[in-house]
Amino acid sequence: DVKVTQSSRYLVKRTGEKVFLECVQDMDHENMFWYRQDPGLGLRLIYFSYDVKMKEKGDIPEGYSVSREKKERFSLILESASTNQTSMYLCASRTYGTPVNQPQHFGDGTRLSIL
Amino acid sequence: AQSVTQLGSHVSVSEGALVLLRCNYSSSVPPYLFWYVQYPNQGLQLLLKYTSAATLVKGINGFEAEFKKSETSFHLTKPSAHMSDAAEYFCAVTPNTGNQFYFGTGTSLTVIP
Repeated sequence: DVKVTQSSRYLVKRTGEKVFLECVQDMDHENMFWYRQDPGLGLRLIYFSYDVKMKEKGDIPEGYSVSREKKERFSLILESASTNQTSMYLCASRTYGTPVNQPQHFGDGTRLSIL
Repeated sequence: AQSVTQLGSHVSVSEGALVLLRCNYSSSVPPYLFWYVQYPNQGLQLLLKYTSAATLVKGINGFEAEFKKSETSFHLTKPSAHMSDAAEYFCAVTPNTGNQFYFGTGTSLTVIP
């Protein structure tokens, strides 16, 4: 079974802090993704990475950055946390190969509160 | 760009009744399709995926979905709802090329005893 592990289930930080959310997958997947989930808005893609040191902006990258130095780890960084970044953050990974209809596998999420 | 529409953000059914959750996609070329379930304070778990081998796809927990190209739909059904089915359900698509997934806004299922 694929295991995607997010470092924290719950996190409380203060406005202006630099916040790191970590995600590790154990299946040698090429692709990794960060989403935020808000009521009524579903999942919105922040960034994704299709390989080590590669990244692409998603739909809502403003205020965030990412790092992928190793294949198994994908970090999301809030450069200067703001209250509107209070949300549930979900990490996912996916292999890219055959068959091509590979699903994304999700971690349990990090519920982040910015005070 | 792809888009996914889930009709009905909230659906309530009685225990033992049919569950029907709707999903429509917009694409001239049928994408790959998935249904996920999310229980409270958890991540998303794969329920089933469309493989193009058959239009009716069976998933876990008694759920199934039927792909209808003419209607650009991939509705999720379960013949008899159980209390444990109460959760949020997401439909997702990914194109034949590329890496991105596009998720619907979700449908919250309530099961009434």
